[in-house]
Amino acid sequence: AQSVTQPDIHITVSEGASLELRCNYSYGATPYLFWYVQSPGQGLQLLLKYFSGDTLVQGIKGFEAEFKRSQSSFNLRKPSVHWSDAAEYFCAFYNNAGNMLTFGGGTRLMVKP
Amino acid sequence: DTGVSQDPRHKITKRGQNVTFRCDPISEHNRLYWYRQTLGQGPEFLTYFQNEAQLEKSRLLSDRFSAERPKGSFSTLEIQRTEQGDSAMYLCASSGAPRNEQFFGPGTRLTVL
Repeated sequence: AQSVTQPDIHITVSEGASLELRCNYSYGATPYLFWYVQSPGQGLQLLLKYFSGDTLVQGIKGFEAEFKRSQSSFNLRKPSVHWSDAAEYFCAFYNNAGNMLTFGGGTRLMVKP
Repeated sequence: DTGVSQDPRHKITKRGQNVTFRCDPISEHNRLYWYRQTLGQGPEFLTYFQNEAQLEKSRLLSDRFSAERPKGSFSTLEIQRTEQGDSAMYLCASSGAPRNEQFFGPGTRLTVL
């Protein structure tokens, strides 16, 4: 079955520390992968996407993600976290026909001052 | 470009009542999606339109749910005879082509008492 797993439900980091959020997918081919961020009570904003090519992709707000086919992973990273990064983060991919996104359960990021 | 808008932002209703939500996509986008997000979960796909045609529906979309996009522009999602289990955030998204980035609206939060 096609699915996305985000193993960490909650993560707390100190402001200025580095961050890595994990995402593993189960899919029969190379998926179209996305990371979205959601602030409380808000819709989702796209951080970055991977379709093909360079496996290290850069996004907005200083985020990057690396696609690793051998590990079926697409982990999100940021070298130095800001208090405003506190939010919920979702990994997602498109199904075969590109008609729907399948989302992981999300990781809630808290930032300590 | 004003982005994807949804109305209302919040809706409180009593069990058994009917509710209708509206989504206005980005004007040049021909694809429109509805998702449902319950507390602490990632969004789940409900249905998808290409122009005015509803091309895919999730098994989550019971007979009490109906969605329309009559002129290929805005869309409505109606829930009849609401149940407490319908309480969730209903998200709308639009995109311009298959597998392209989906832009999300702020969502409509439904509370069924």
